[in-house]
Amino acid sequence: NAGVTQTPKFRVLKTGQSMTLLCAQDMNHEYMYWYRQDPGMGLRLIHYSVGEGTTAKGEVPDGYNVSRLKKQNFLLGLESAAPSQTSVYFCASSRPTGELFFGEGSRLTVL
Amino acid sequence: DAKTTQPPSMDCAEGRAANLPCNHSTISGNEYVYWYRQIHSQGPQYIIHGLKNNETNEMASLIITEDRKSSTLILPHATLRDTAVYYCIVRVYGSGNTGKLIFGQGTTLQVKP
Repeated sequence: NAGVTQTPKFRVLKTGQSMTLLCAQDMNHEYMYWYRQDPGMGLRLIHYSVGEGTTAKGEVPDGYNVSRLKKQNFLLGLESAAPSQTSVYFCASSRPTGELFFGEGSRLTVL
Repeated sequence: DAKTTQPPSMDCAEGRAANLPCNHSTISGNEYVYWYRQIHSQGPQYIIHGLKNNETNEMASLIITEDRKSSTLILPHATLRDTAVYYCIVRVYGSGNTGKLIFGQGTTLQVKP
């Protein structure tokens, strides 16, 4: 049982490049989340999803897009990366009535 | 979901109880209190949750005031490995859960030898 798996774990981008972070969960959870965490800061919600085919904006959605085509996967896209998007990205999943399970994080650097 | 307020940092001596407070004065009747912690830069880890009764598990105890406007997470015998950032959040349990889940800044607990 892998839980929540994020790929890639590390990535370096140049300004303007695009990329996609993949989050996969094998617990059949309905809810999935993408957070970012900057040094010394708490978690900030980027986007979330309450079910397959649905997505919603969180606290800091600008510059990101998401898709939830399959229940087990939640993709976070950066269309044109900026240095301000340098951060650690965490994915999480849960049932509506349960606790969150987090991935190990994806460390993104934008030069 | 209601917002929470936590002190930014706390110290605790190794072997002593660590008491971490959380204020959630706007909590509604169908919202549970959840606690998570984040060690170094790992993904946050679930600790405990409760509605209105005190709860205890192998990691910690959760004390919720009678009016439910605040709570305290208790680590009974803190060790150096408990040094982490602790997050208190409130979340609707079951139907009515919109899914939007906001974390605050949390409390950085430093356990000292």
